[in-house]
Amino acid sequence: AQSVAQPEDQVNVAEGNPLTVKCTYSVSGNPYLFWYVQYPNRGLQFLLKYITGDNLVKGSYGFEAEFNKSQTSFHLKKPSALVSDSALYFCALGGGGADGLTFGKGTHLIIQP
Amino acid sequence: DVKVTQSSRYLVKRTGEKVFLECVQDMDHENMFWYRQDPGLGLRLIYFSYDVKMKEKGDIPEGYSVSREKKERFSLILESASTNQTSMYLCAATRGTPHYNEQFFGPGTRLTVL
Repeated sequence: AQSVAQPEDQVNVAEGNPLTVKCTYSVSGNPYLFWYVQYPNRGLQFLLKYITGDNLVKGSYGFEAEFNKSQTSFHLKKPSALVSDSALYFCALGGGGADGLTFGKGTHLIIQP
Repeated sequence: DVKVTQSSRYLVKRTGEKVFLECVQDMDHENMFWYRQDPGLGLRLIYFSYDVKMKEKGDIPEGYSVSREKKERFSLILESASTNQTSMYLCAATRGTPHYNEQFFGPGTRLTVL
């Protein structure tokens, strides 16, 4: 069975500092990896995905993610955090014969002014 | 972008009631999904549908059923609501192969069962 782990329930970063939200995965076969963001009382919004090709994927709002096959990780990054980046972030995994996406439990990102 | 709408943002029902949650998408996507979101548990798949009149169980289908009579509409039904079904319900739609295409989500319905 495939799985996604987000090891941190919450990440605190000062505004202007770089941020990283961690995600690791387990799957048989090729992984297809996604990041979504959820603002309070809203649905999820797609940020970026890795299907194949370059290990560094660029997405919306200045976010990027690095796919690392040897470490089975897909960490979300941003060079300079904004207070408006504060939200709940989900990593998701497709592939492995599953019909849809398997979501992690989410990480609360808090950017302090 | 695909627009996915859900019939209610907030809903309060009583134990034992039959509850209908409606989801409509406007971009002719063939795949539609229902998830529930609970703190610390992330999103869990209840049911999904690849096409009209087709449905497949997800990870937690017990206590739920679905209906897809038209391509744009996917309904989630709680046959007899219970307090442990109090949750945020999210509908999503995607085109093509579900496991490598991004899903577009509705705003969610926060259901409280008393």
